[in-house]
Amino acid sequence: ETGVTQTPRHLVMGMTNKKSLKCEQHLGHNAMYWYKQSAKKPLELMFVYNFKEQTENNSVPSRFSPECPNSSHLFLHLHTLQPEDSALYLCASSQERTITGELFFGEGSRLTVL
Amino acid sequence: AQKITQTQPGMFVQEKEAVTLDCTYDTSDQSYGLFWYKQPSSGEMIFLIYQGSYDEQNATEGRYSLNFQKARKSANLVISASQLGDSAMYFCAMRASGAGSYQLTFGKGTKLSVIP
Repeated sequence: ETGVTQTPRHLVMGMTNKKSLKCEQHLGHNAMYWYKQSAKKPLELMFVYNFKEQTENNSVPSRFSPECPNSSHLFLHLHTLQPEDSALYLCASSQERTITGELFFGEGSRLTVL
Repeated sequence: AQKITQTQPGMFVQEKEAVTLDCTYDTSDQSYGLFWYKQPSSGEMIFLIYQGSYDEQNATEGRYSLNFQKARKSANLVISASQLGDSAMYFCAMRASGAGSYQLTFGKGTKLSVIP
């Protein structure tokens, strides 16, 4: 199994739908992250969880709702999204929140909002 | 706040040649880490190399080396003996302890194309 697994890999949804992205890490890490990657923009950090507790929320609209039931799983619940939310959503994990710890990323979930 | 600047949107390199991807950073923190990631078309971000702000020697990992010039605040990635599989997006990133967030801040990336 790969270290960080994201499902689904591709998702198309209407603006009124509710869907969820799932992330699972098999690395025994304590911290998990959601990043948004839009075309021609740097990766934007959305949320950080450390030991299941949310420690960062970078002014993300409430139509994105994260959930971290345990250190291995992270969800991003989506509802009433806008077309500009179409992007690649990347999940990552790290051993801990330190300067030296690299993040391990999943392959991303490509979201298209119609 | 931290900022990463990658000024090369795209680069071409001949197979087996070396290539340098530029990265400059800005931070007021004294302690920070610099990372390079590779993103193939599949989407996954692959960690390549790390350099700590207090490391005296440039980091190397196989064909990757990091040309760290602290006074200039630059952390360029050097890929030696380029291979076709090196064609991808490359992102420079920084992690600092400012405000205790340890947030990993990315640049906009450089698209590297290796020509046979």
